[in-house]
Amino acid sequence: QQQVKQSPQSLIVQKGGIPIINCAYENTAFDYFPWYQQFPGKGPALLIAIRPDVSEKKEGRFTISFNKSAKQFSLHIMDSQPGDSATYFCAASRAGGYQKVTFGTGTKLQVIP
Amino acid sequence: GAVVSQHPSRVICKSGTSVKIECRSLDFQATTMFWYRQFPKQSLMLMATSNEGSKATYEQGVEKDKFLINHASLTLSTLTVTSAHPEDSSFYICSAREGRGLIGEKLFFGSGTQLSVL
Repeated sequence: QQQVKQSPQSLIVQKGGIPIINCAYENTAFDYFPWYQQFPGKGPALLIAIRPDVSEKKEGRFTISFNKSAKQFSLHIMDSQPGDSATYFCAASRAGGYQKVTFGTGTKLQVIP
Repeated sequence: GAVVSQHPSRVICKSGTSVKIECRSLDFQATTMFWYRQFPKQSLMLMATSNEGSKATYEQGVEKDKFLINHASLTLSTLTVTSAHPEDSSFYICSAREGRGLIGEKLFFGSGTQLSVL
């Protein structure tokens, strides 16, 4: 019930392309869905997050699409750049300071110049 | 944005020694801190949840006596790997969440500590 499934495991796109990373969750109690970006040897950094009361959220070149009925959400990176090459993790949690965050398995993105 | 400082970034130690990793929230009070372990090319595995002034809550399978967690203040949590062995070699990451709701659900991560036990 606590799993967050993420796909694909790895992704290669050319500069300017739009990589899409998908996640699915099981626990309907989750109400906060962040995406994290991690570079090698560094801790994850919050990229963008969404609550289930909206179906889409955009911040710069990053967009989250959320489908509550399907219990799925995805990250789209517009006009991808080589500097976007990193590992991306989706996550889910219940709101509140003490709630644990459940992470997806990660997607390694490589953007080719 | 909020900053979480983690030290050291890398440590190499001999088998049998203990290693302490510090995690500090620099510009907010972290009521709750989390400690993760990450193996190469894998996701983050939650080890324990630490609340200021109380005992840490460990995840199933994580040895409490092996991984000692102390959250003595609202800005500092420490993880001590006791009697480290080569199998403890891993990337350890802390994260912190501000507890009064001002930063909401956002989780801020330290830069991680690469532990290598010889």
